[in-house]
Amino acid sequence: NAGVIQTPRHKVTGKGQEATLWCEPISGHSAVFWYRQTIVQGLEFLTYFRNQAPIDDSGMPKERFSAQMPNQSHSTLKIQSTQPQDSAVYLCASSDRGSAETLYFGSGTRLTVL
Amino acid sequence: GDSVTQTEGLVTLTEGLPVMLNCTYQTIYSNPFLFWYVQHLNESPRLLLKSFTDNKRTEHQGFHATLHKSSSSFHLQKSSAQLSDSALYYCALRYQGGRALIFGTGTTVSVSP
Repeated sequence: NAGVIQTPRHKVTGKGQEATLWCEPISGHSAVFWYRQTIVQGLEFLTYFRNQAPIDDSGMPKERFSAQMPNQSHSTLKIQSTQPQDSAVYLCASSDRGSAETLYFGSGTRLTVL
Repeated sequence: GDSVTQTEGLVTLTEGLPVMLNCTYQTIYSNPFLFWYVQHLNESPRLLLKSFTDNKRTEHQGFHATLHKSSSSFHLQKSSAQLSDSALYYCALRYQGGRALIFGTGTTVSVSP
């Protein structure tokens, strides 16, 4: 079991450019979550999918952020027109069942917007 | 809305001393699930322990916590801290049928010799 795989590990973009982050959940897990981690805010929920369907995107900044899960083996988080305040570690997690489920996190993508 | 409060941003202590990290939560739902996640330096968060049973002590790797619905608390404790316990600890909340896990702001624990 390779765990949750996130690529790239690091990404540097210029202000106004687009960034696409990839996540491959653990095989067989039905839910995928995206979080953003900063020193000030800690772990902020962005969005999640269950069985590929979007369930809750209440944490997503509406205008520039979007997420998709085209198949059960990967999800993407896209940030358009990146801004310096988007700089953070973006963590993807997957889980396999229920409300008491354990989240398994990937290593994260560190996004730096210059 | 639902929220989790961790009052300590940083806890520093000497190896061998007890440690307690505070966690309180707010939710309108009567059946919350509470979690503690730990994140060591350059690693991703991983589950430390979880509970959804009122007044029942949960233990793992020397740590323990008890969910008290009467006080909306889920404090994390360990009787004797080790150097390897230095990490960032997150308390988190979810309720049955609810949305995604909501995390507190985290408490950094630094244990020195």
